Amino acid sequence: KQEVTQIPAALSVPEGENLVLNCSFTDSAIYNLQWFRQDPGKGLTSLLLIQSSQREQTSGRLNASLDKSSGRSTLYIAASQPGDSATYLCAVTGTGFQKLVFGTGTRLLVSP
Amino acid sequence: SQTIHQWPATLVQPVGSPLSLECTVEGTSNPNLYWYRQAAGRGLQLLFYSIGIDQISSEVPQNLSASRPQDRQFILSSKKLLLSDSGFYLCAWSTSGGGYEQYFGPGTRLTVT
Repeated sequence: KQEVTQIPAALSVPEGENLVLNCSFTDSAIYNLQWFRQDPGKGLTSLLLIQSSQREQTSGRLNASLDKSSGRSTLYIAASQPGDSATYLCAVTGTGFQKLVFGTGTRLLVSP
Repeated sequence: SQTIHQWPATLVQPVGSPLSLECTVEGTSNPNLYWYRQAAGRGLQLLFYSIGIDQISSEVPQNLSASRPQDRQFILSSKKLLLSDSGFYLCAWSTSGGGYEQYFGPGTRLTVT
C-alpha cells in the first residue's frame, strides 16, 4: 500500500528566503506526482505535475524534482512571499488507475 | 476553459438526516470524476471515482454512496448521516485516459451535529 510522507509538517520563514519542502513515497511504481496548494477552507490548486519519466518541472518561482527510484520529491520555492503561506500537499498516482494518494501536507507561513 | 462547481459550500446537518452534495464540471466531456474527504487531523482520502456514467468505484466502506446521472455531474449521497461523516468534501476531475492532472473544486464543508 502506497504511503506518502511530507516533512516538515510546518515551516515558518521570513519573506525572501528560499525553501524546500520534502515528499517521500514508499512504492516507487508511480505514474506521476502532483504538488498542490491549499489555502484555509479552500479547495486544492494544482501547482506542478511531474510524470514518472521526468526529473523536474518548473513554474515561476516553483521547481519540483522527482527521484522515483529513491521515492522522493522536493518542491523548491524561491524568494518566498507572504502570499505563499498555505498548506502544500504532494500526491502520487499509481500505475493502475489515476487515484491520488496524498501526503499529510506541510503548513508554510511566510512572515513579512 | 474548464471549471468545476460544488454546492453547497457549507452544510450543517443533524445525525440521521440524508445528504446530497453535487459536483458539476464545465468545458470538458467524458471526464474522470472523484470524491475526496478531508477530515480534521487526517489527510485527503479518496472516496469514489468514476470513469463514465454508471461506472463508479468505491474506495472505502462507508456510509456514503455516489452517482453520476450525467456525464459531467457527480453526486455524493447518504441516507443517514453519522457524526464521523463530518469533514471537507472535495470533488475533482481529470481528463479521461491516463497520467493527467486532477483539478479540484472549491469543496463543501459538512458538519454533522
